[in-house]
Amino acid sequence: DAGITQSPRHKVTETGTPVTLRCHQTENHRYMYWYRQDPGHGLRLIHYSYGVKDTDKGEVSDGYSVSRSKTEDFLLTLESATSSQTSVYFCAISETGQESGYTFGSGTRLTVV
Amino acid sequence: SQQGEEDPQALSIQEGENATMNCSYKTSINNLQWYRQNSGRGLVHLILIRSNEREKHSGRLRVTLDTSKKSSSLLITASRAADTASYFCATVPGGGNKLTFGTGTQLKVEL
Repeated sequence: DAGITQSPRHKVTETGTPVTLRCHQTENHRYMYWYRQDPGHGLRLIHYSYGVKDTDKGEVSDGYSVSRSKTEDFLLTLESATSSQTSVYFCAISETGQESGYTFGSGTRLTVV
Repeated sequence: SQQGEEDPQALSIQEGENATMNCSYKTSINNLQWYRQNSGRGLVHLILIRSNEREKHSGRLRVTLDTSKKSSSLLITASRAADTASYFCATVPGGGNKLTFGTGTQLKVEL
């Protein structure tokens, strides 16, 4: 999607290993979000950021951490991956967080074996 | 927990027919948004309706919002095969700055 890229697109990792997913934007938007999508659950918010070094937890934050050292990058880290973290992860950006629609990346499909 | 719940979970119609999807939510909102997701892709923003609006149009899309019933509907008129996708409603709570999504409606438009 224009202005936002996620990497990697696919990853297979072993249980217990750390994993970092990257979200990069070129829109200079203040707000960035990490969601996970699982069948039957829709999208659930993991963490979000409302500025450089300003982050907060979402609905399903256990086992995840985030960092935002630059406006354009928002990293999601699974400290010790578990099979329950097998999912599709989406990053999203928003100019205002409230009054504008979100722009989503194409997703990262993560499989923990 | 999900803020929004879509109904029906799945919908199959013929090309040219209208498709209606409904969304219910639980708490007061700043606005409600609808998104489309094609298989294997990210979500695409379709339309945003504010809490003080009752109806909004965008091309073949018509969205209504009833805050007294905490519900919204998305109508796609004259559907096309390319409309086949999952549709999600999402809400921004009053005073909040993050979207909460429903579980989605899978729409299939057959030729």
